[in-house]
Amino acid sequence: GESVGLHLPTLSVQEGDNSIINCAYSNSASDYFIWYKQESGKGPQFIIDIRSNMDKRQGQRVTVLLNKTVKHLSLQIAATQPGDSAVYFCAEITGNQFYFGTGTSLTVIP
Amino acid sequence: DAGITQSPRHKVTETGTPVTLRCHQTENHRYMYWYRQDPGHGLRLIHYSYGVKDTDKGEVSDGYSVSRSKTEDFLLTLESATSSQTSVYFCAIRDRGPQETQYFGPGTRLLVL
Repeated sequence: GESVGLHLPTLSVQEGDNSIINCAYSNSASDYFIWYKQESGKGPQFIIDIRSNMDKRQGQRVTVLLNKTVKHLSLQIAATQPGDSAVYFCAEITGNQFYFGTGTSLTVIP
Repeated sequence: DAGITQSPRHKVTETGTPVTLRCHQTENHRYMYWYRQDPGHGLRLIHYSYGVKDTDKGEVSDGYSVSRSKTEDFLLTLESATSSQTSVYFCAIRDRGPQETQYFGPGTRLLVL
């Protein structure tokens, strides 16, 4: 099956700093990549996606970078806020199936 | 939340009993998915559906069956629940609009004793 991994299981940042969460993927044929945020007791929430033919995509306070050479995906959160505390995980889409990483737990220190 | 509800939200059952979880969507999406989420694992696909009566297996389908008799409902059945099926179950729909994504339901916490 697919292998989608995250480099760090936990990340702590000061409020106002930028956060970078990384993800490695294995299938170079994947069509899309997505970042999700999951708060405790809730379902995953879509943050941002990027197509495999793109290198960078920006949203509101978030940027996703895709490096296909090394099969690496990152999520950058600018000016991290306490409300950003959650588990973040990436997913790759191949055909009709989505493959999810295990997640990085982000803690924002006030 | 893309109009996705799951029922029940919590369930405790005993080993060997059948359990059915329901996912309901209100936006007429073609694709629906069932996942389980366990500590140390990412979301793992159980089954998915690409239309009424059209389903396919995911990576952890053993012990589970699904049915989709109408667009809005996707049922997941544990034929004979085991303790290893204790998990949080998420339903999702696939949205192939401007953004390629899945929207998830709130989840069902299942405890098999």
